[in-house]
Amino acid sequence: KAGVTQTPRYLIKTRGQQVTLSCSPISGHRSVSWYQQTPGQGLQFLFEYFSETQRNKGNFPGRFSGRQFSNSRSEMNVSTLELGDSALYLCASSLVMWGTDYYEQYFGPGTRLTVT
Amino acid sequence: AQSVTQLDSQVPVFEEAPVELRCNYSSSVSVYLFWYVQYPNQGLQLLLKYLSGSTLVKSINGFEAEFNKSQTSFHLRKPSVHISDTAEYFCAVSDRVGTGNQFYFGTGTSLTVIP
Repeated sequence: KAGVTQTPRYLIKTRGQQVTLSCSPISGHRSVSWYQQTPGQGLQFLFEYFSETQRNKGNFPGRFSGRQFSNSRSEMNVSTLELGDSALYLCASSLVMWGTDYYEQYFGPGTRLTVT
Repeated sequence: AQSVTQLDSQVPVFEEAPVELRCNYSSSVSVYLFWYVQYPNQGLQLLLKYLSGSTLVKSINGFEAEFNKSQTSFHLRKPSVHISDTAEYFCAVSDRVGTGNQFYFGTGTSLTVIP
């Protein structure tokens, strides 16, 4: 089975621009979560989508948004980029099994965003 | 909300020596606990997990972690490290939030194995 894929792998943008990142989950996985990883801050949860609905949201400004399509692929958008948005953005997919309150996350390789 | 503390940001250790990477979390209510490993330019890979049952969990490559509820800790150990264990290690906690689970990660511990 193919793993989680993220495109593009590297991106350079300038302040004020917007960016869209894409994540394709493992086949059959309906949950996709996004994280921002920066040195010293570790991984910070952005949001989770399940069946095209945002189910949980972390503490990030409204410039960060996302969506999920009917095939479970997800996109994350950041508008009005700031220097502090430079980070590795990781996507994780999960197979949510009914009747359990736990599911395992499988991570993609990430998209390295540099804002200049 | 949970918080996860990894007490050591960097741990250098000689090859074949033992190592312990420490992790504490904030709440003692029912949670799931994980250790992930990240190699350069890669995403995170699950190393081991505690869901329930035996408090000592083991991975296939020799790592083990012990869940200590009273101390809210989930320290990772390996009795003899190899060069290939050099990587970033993240401790994570999952608890139920709304209709889903939310994962909280520590800031990571960079393990460097010295030949």
